[in-house]
Amino acid sequence: GIQVEQSPPDLILQEGANSTLRCNFSDSVNNLQWFHQNPWGQLINLFYIPSGTKQNGRLSATTVATERYSLLYISSSQTTDSGVYFCAAPGGTYKYIFGTGTRLKVLA
Amino acid sequence: DAGVTQSPTHLIKTRGQQVTLRCSPKSGHDTVSWYQQALGQGPQFIFQYYEEEERQRGNFPDRFSGHQFPNYSSELNVNALLLGDSALYLCASSLTALWTAGGNTIYFGEGSWLTVV
Repeated sequence: GIQVEQSPPDLILQEGANSTLRCNFSDSVNNLQWFHQNPWGQLINLFYIPSGTKQNGRLSATTVATERYSLLYISSSQTTDSGVYFCAAPGGTYKYIFGTGTRLKVLA
Repeated sequence: DAGVTQSPTHLIKTRGQQVTLRCSPKSGHDTVSWYQQALGQGPQFIFQYYEEEERQRGNFPDRFSGHQFPNYSSELNVNALLLGDSALYLCASSLTALWTAGGNTIYFGEGSWLTVV
């Protein structure tokens, strides 16, 4: 089945810094999602992005489906951006396969 | 517009006991999936329910079972609890019409934290 890998596994930033998170997937996919898991455990949808680029405020995402990767950009990071970022790709008709996540800590 | 709601939020059980977790999907959604997330790991797919039937299952033993009700809400049951079942259990809500169209955005509840002692 499809494998999803994320890098880096851990990231520490000073408030105001920019960062890029990467998601590689082993097979072609028809969609990809990025999530942010807050310290209380809830997974929040950031982007549904099968291809191309989307932006939402300080966050943007790009998926290059032909090269099997997606990038999540965080600009001017804030302490509230801390948490774990997951990407997920379809692992069959009805399920998603999640990467192991990037743990981000933003320092004030 | 109510999002995905789960209950209980936290619970502690003893090895060998049984547990039932509950989920109400986002308004307008008809499909419920359950995921298990162990500490430090990404969520793992347990199964998905649509039209009150389990239609896809991940690599989990039969101790894990579920149910979907006519109002689309769902329960996850785990029997004969093991220490290794301690995890965050997440319910995800979606719309089947979008699955069959080749893609779907899924929405998660806040999860149920299960500790087995």
